[in-house]
Amino acid sequence: QQQVKQSPQSLIVQKGGIPIINCAYENTAFDYFPWYQQFPGKGPALLIAIRPDVSEKKEGRFTISFNKSAKQFSLHIMDSQPGDSATYFCAASETQGGSEKLVFGKGTKLTVNP
Amino acid sequence: DSGVTQTPKHLITATGQRVTLRCSPRSGDLSVYWYQQSLDQGLQFLIQYYNGEERAKGNILERFSAQQFPDLHSELNLSSLELGDSALYFCASSVLTGDLTEQFFGPGTRLTVL
Repeated sequence: QQQVKQSPQSLIVQKGGIPIINCAYENTAFDYFPWYQQFPGKGPALLIAIRPDVSEKKEGRFTISFNKSAKQFSLHIMDSQPGDSATYFCAASETQGGSEKLVFGKGTKLTVNP
Repeated sequence: DSGVTQTPKHLITATGQRVTLRCSPRSGDLSVYWYQQSLDQGLQFLIQYYNGEERAKGNILERFSAQQFPDLHSELNLSSLELGDSALYFCASSVLTGDLTEQFFGPGTRLTVL
């Protein structure tokens, strides 16, 4: 059972475009929603994260939009650059008792063309 | 560079063998997590240790075991290896930033079982 569903699987945009990656979850006990960026041959790196009591969070060109009632959240990348080409993973966790067991989506391979 | 180190970088072995993967967390981080990344299963949480004690368990096979030592480094032991165990194994360590726990991933160990 896939607890976090991510779409699309791949995405190609032109430089300056605004790619949007969507995730949906089922477990209402999830209370932490991070996005990770992974370049080939590297480990995932935290990009931005949100708690469900906030509907939007911006950090630089990256924005998370969160819809608690729909159990959906998305990542928007403003003014995308070729250097943003990477695989993006959404994740969720239930942070009770000090455990942050992350459940990851399957990933979205983003290509930003010059 | 996340500050999390993993050795070895690559490991090639045969079915039925046993291997040990090593992880050193960032200085001061007490939590260590292990993840498996494969093409078909994606990124999956295996196990978390906090200051030497097991904190959470995920989809970790009985053939796999882990421990965290007093100096906080961790080892993941994989035994009776099968072809399907071929994957990237990531270690992460965490720090609390505000009310969000950020997990920093190491560069991974690529395991190939022949």
